[in-house]
Amino acid sequence: SQQGEEDPQALSIQEGENATMNCSYKTSINNLQWYRQNSGRGLVHLILIRSNEREKHSGRLRVTLDTSKKSSSLLITASRAADTASYFCATNTGNQFYFGTGTSLTVIP
Amino acid sequence: NAGVTQTPKFRVLKTGQSMTLLCAQDMNHEYMYWYRQDPGMGLRLIHYSVGEGTTAKGEVPDGYNVSRLKKQNFLLGLESAAPSQTSVYFCASSYLRNNEQFFGPGTRLTVL
Repeated sequence: SQQGEEDPQALSIQEGENATMNCSYKTSINNLQWYRQNSGRGLVHLILIRSNEREKHSGRLRVTLDTSKKSSSLLITASRAADTASYFCATNTGNQFYFGTGTSLTVIP
Repeated sequence: NAGVTQTPKFRVLKTGQSMTLLCAQDMNHEYMYWYRQDPGMGLRLIHYSVGEGTTAKGEVPDGYNVSRLKKQNFLLGLESAAPSQTSVYFCASSYLRNNEQFFGPGTRLTVL
């Protein structure tokens, strides 16, 4: 399987703290995307980083990509209770997407 | 805009029964995808389509068939359901191959 893996599997933090989750993958990619999934809902796209980019920001989100290590990290700054969700990385190779197993983030008010 | 919609939201089947899941998008997207999500497994790609009239196999295509007769619709069929196909099924679409995907709300399928 070319599925990526997120680390940690679960993360619990206090509101206002930063949350960092990591993604490792196995093959060369066109881009890497991060998605959020609230319980019982579909996935929502957060941010896309291309294989020739190393860092990208969007609001409170910061994503890094290290293609030599085949890894990416997602940083959520100043977390809020509404950030409680599962976060998935997805790698794009050709026409296919491969999703990781997800990090479950709980932000405690 | 409704975005991506899926029908039905829930379904219970008996082993051996057949059914079709419907995905519709109103964003004029070329690419459409069917995934299944199982606990601890993340999302796995079943089939995808790069345009009207085209389909291709994904990571876990066995036991499923798909059709894309109209650009806005992508159908996923189970000809003879098995308990191993109990899962939550998500449809997604994207404008271009490498773009962000827009997901539907999912269909929860239980096969007894």
